[in-house]
Amino acid sequence: DQQVKQNSPSLSVQEGRISILNCDYTNSMFDYFLWYKKYPAEGPTFLISISSIKDKNEDGRFTVFLNKSAKHLSLHIVPSQPGDSAVYFCAARDNQGGKLIFGQGTELSVKP
Amino acid sequence: KAGVTQTPRYLIKTRGQQVTLSCSPISGHRSVSWYQQTPGQGLQFLFEYFSETQRNKGNFPGRFSGRQFSNSRSEMNVSTLELGDSALYLCASREQAFGEKLFFGSGTQLSVL
Repeated sequence: DQQVKQNSPSLSVQEGRISILNCDYTNSMFDYFLWYKKYPAEGPTFLISISSIKDKNEDGRFTVFLNKSAKHLSLHIVPSQPGDSAVYFCAARDNQGGKLIFGQGTELSVKP
Repeated sequence: KAGVTQTPRYLIKTRGQQVTLSCSPISGHRSVSWYQQTPGQGLQFLFEYFSETQRNKGNFPGRFSGRQFSNSRSEMNVSTLELGDSALYLCASREQAFGEKLFFGSGTQLSVL
């Protein structure tokens, strides 16, 4: 039972344009959402997060939007750069036990 | 501070063998979680330890086990290896059990032949 889903395995965008990565969840007990970025042969690194009481959080080129009624969150990267090419994972924290549940990941490719 | 350290980086085993993976968390972090990464499945949660006690457990068979020591270092053991156990095993730490951010190591790439 996949509680956090990233339905797009891959995404390709042109340098300078906007990248939008999407994530859906099913569990209403999630209280915190995070995005991680992963390069090959490295562990995931934290990118940006948002509390369930907010609907938007911004950090430089990265913005995360949360739509609780739709149980959907998205990560916007503007402008996209070739160095952003990586696998992006969304994650949600279970407010019952505190564990982080991850999605399947979306591989972003930013072409020059 | 040093990051999360996982050893070894690569392992090759054969079916039926067992394997032990090691993880040293960031200094001061008392919670250690383990994840399995396979293509298409993302990061699957295995278990979490806090102060030497297992706090959370994922949906993996009993062949997967772990433990945490008093210095917060953790080990994960997989017995009777199967071909499907081939994966990248990631360890992550955070200061507290309900901490918001996990900090990951580079992982151990396990290949089962």
